[in-house]
Amino acid sequence: QVQLVQSGAEMKKPGASVKVSCKASGYTLNRYAMHWVRQAPGQTLEWMGWINAGNGNIYYSKDFQGRVTITRDTSANTAYMELSSLRSEDTAVYYCARGSHYMDVWGKGTTVTVSS
Amino acid sequence: TVLTQSPGTLSLSPGERATLSCRASQSVSSSFLAWYQQKPGQSPRLLIYSTSTRATGISDRFSGSGSGTDFTLTISRLEPEDFAVYYCQQYGASSWTFGQGTRVEVK
Repeated sequence: QVQLVQSGAEMKKPGASVKVSCKASGYTLNRYAMHWVRQAPGQTLEWMGWINAGNGNIYYSKDFQGRVTITRDTSANTAYMELSSLRSEDTAVYYCARGSHYMDVWGKGTTVTVSS
Repeated sequence: TVLTQSPGTLSLSPGERATLSCRASQSVSSSFLAWYQQKPGQSPRLLIYSTSTRATGISDRFSGSGSGTDFTLTISRLEPEDFAVYYCQQYGASSWTFGQGTRVEVK
């Protein structure tokens, strides 16, 4: 069964960083691209970036360029998203989602709360 | 590319037909337009990709159509489990964007 298992909820102070993990099971991570998408409370979905299958090229949304880092560990079959310089507006549910032009498998989400 | 969904909220009764619109600020390849369903407290679920292809396990009550800048998701007969928020999504120039969503609620 294909699934993405994300790390648990995080609470951070403004200015800190957070690193969210996404472990793939039922398939080999580097055979598919992986996206990171976030959703602030009551808001729409916001694409943050993706890591391509195979060559591992990474593309970031201009809205997060310089603050987000996406990586993967193929030996652990796990992808990671790190967001730095957190502010209150970064409070959201962060999802990993498998796919290329569309996203066919989603993790359950990781809630990140930024508060002083 | 900005995606604008309308209406913001659709109030319908079970058994009725739902028609959701997604308009793009510039032309989108039909291969790169998808629709998702999201229920409260859940992750989005892929319904339709490449404008009109249903994802695995998706009921044939759901259909997608459109081209260029205008796309439509149709739910032929609403079932109780279909009341949710629906998002369109496009890919272009190494960037993905989502619409703001249409909420389908029980009238």
